[in-house]
Amino acid sequence: EAGVTQFPSHSVIEKGQTVTLRCDPISGHDNLYWYRRVMGKEIKFLLHFVKESKQDESGMPNNRFLAERTGGTYSTLKVQPAELEDSGVYFCASSATGVSYGYTFGSGTRLTVV
Amino acid sequence: AQSVAQPEDQVNVAEGNPLTVKCTYSVSGNPYLFWYVQYPNRGLQFLLKYITGDNLVKGSYGFEAEFNKSQTSFHLKKPSALVSDSALYFCAVPPPSNDYKLSFGAGTTVTVRA
Repeated sequence: EAGVTQFPSHSVIEKGQTVTLRCDPISGHDNLYWYRRVMGKEIKFLLHFVKESKQDESGMPNNRFLAERTGGTYSTLKVQPAELEDSGVYFCASSATGVSYGYTFGSGTRLTVV
Repeated sequence: AQSVAQPEDQVNVAEGNPLTVKCTYSVSGNPYLFWYVQYPNRGLQFLLKYITGDNLVKGSYGFEAEFNKSQTSFHLKKPSALVSDSALYFCAVPPPSNDYKLSFGAGTTVTVRA
């Protein structure tokens, strides 16, 4: 089966610009998660979708970040306007059941804001 | 709050030597504990998990981890390291109240020299 796919793999943007990251989960996985790793620190939870609904967005850093999951399929994470501190690696994961040991992670999007 | 700590940013070993990557945890109750690995330009891959049962857990690629309750540790081990084991390793734990959300350590970069 195809894994979790993330686009783009790398993105370099200027401060103040907008960037949209995309995640295609494994087909049939209702649960989709976004995480990010900033500046070599811990990987931190951003939010959790169950189908198209946001189940938990407690990790979203501020209102410059907007996540959507249209029709319960792929998800996008938009950063507008981007700031320098948003640089990092953004990971997406999906699971059939809502438990962490069922995760499959994507390869991540490395975002650099200059 | 549940948390894990990885005290070493980097571990360097020679090929063929034993490899240990350290993780300590702070959780209430009986923990679930995980190890993930990120190879260069790849996604986070699940290595192994401790849920309950035997304290020695065997995982992928010849890795194992020992759950030690008295020392609150869950160190990752491999008896004989390979150059291909060079990667970034993360220890992780979910909270008991919502086990879909992982808390990761800061990661340990392992370099195995030939």
